[in-house]
Amino acid sequence: GQNIDQPTEMTATEGAIVQINCTYQTSGFNGLFWYQQHAGEAPTFLSYNVLDGLEEKGRFSSFLSRSKGYSYLLLKELQMKDSASYLCAVRPDYGGATNKLIFGTGTLLAVQP
Amino acid sequence: DTAVSQTPKYLVTQMGNDKSIKCEQNLGHDTMYWYKQDSKKFLKIMFSYNNKELIINETVPNRFSPKSPDKAHLNLHINSLELGDSAVYFCASSQDPHMASLLYEQYFGPGTRLTVT
Repeated sequence: GQNIDQPTEMTATEGAIVQINCTYQTSGFNGLFWYQQHAGEAPTFLSYNVLDGLEEKGRFSSFLSRSKGYSYLLLKELQMKDSASYLCAVRPDYGGATNKLIFGTGTLLAVQP
Repeated sequence: DTAVSQTPKYLVTQMGNDKSIKCEQNLGHDTMYWYKQDSKKFLKIMFSYNNKELIINETVPNRFSPKSPDKAHLNLHINSLELGDSAVYFCASSQDPHMASLLYEQYFGPGTRLTVT
């Protein structure tokens, strides 16, 4: 089966750092994605990991450990506009046949002043 | 210059009716998707088309029928609507995923909020 777990909700303070964890158990693995979704809007792509290690993009970084089935999204210098849901998604099909994504339930992050 | 667009944005209808949602992308992508996001915000793949060919068909009632007239359009028709069909439906598109391990990020449309009463 396919299983992706994330915390349901998190709260953090403006200017701080927050880490959102994601663990997965899937039939295969061909990449892990993080998406941001503001309330009432479409998900937008944040980051992608297919090899172990850290990928950094400005204030956002994402880490992957394939042996542990684990990823995290790190948000630095939090801003009020970072209040959103953060969705972890795994692409299980190797070979790129379908590009199907399996999403976790998302983590609702509330940034407080 | 919207990349992925959907119509309508809101759809309120009664049980038993038939309705369609339209999706268009102007990114030149070969692959398009339909997702359903339920009240708990869980986003789940329903269908995917690559160059008008169905390549993903998850366990979805056959009341749902996707149609792709060309690679820039993927419409979703729903027959005999039920209360449980109430959700936000997202269309998405990406490049043709023919190479393993490449990014192929998916671009999502703004969503269609369907309410069945």
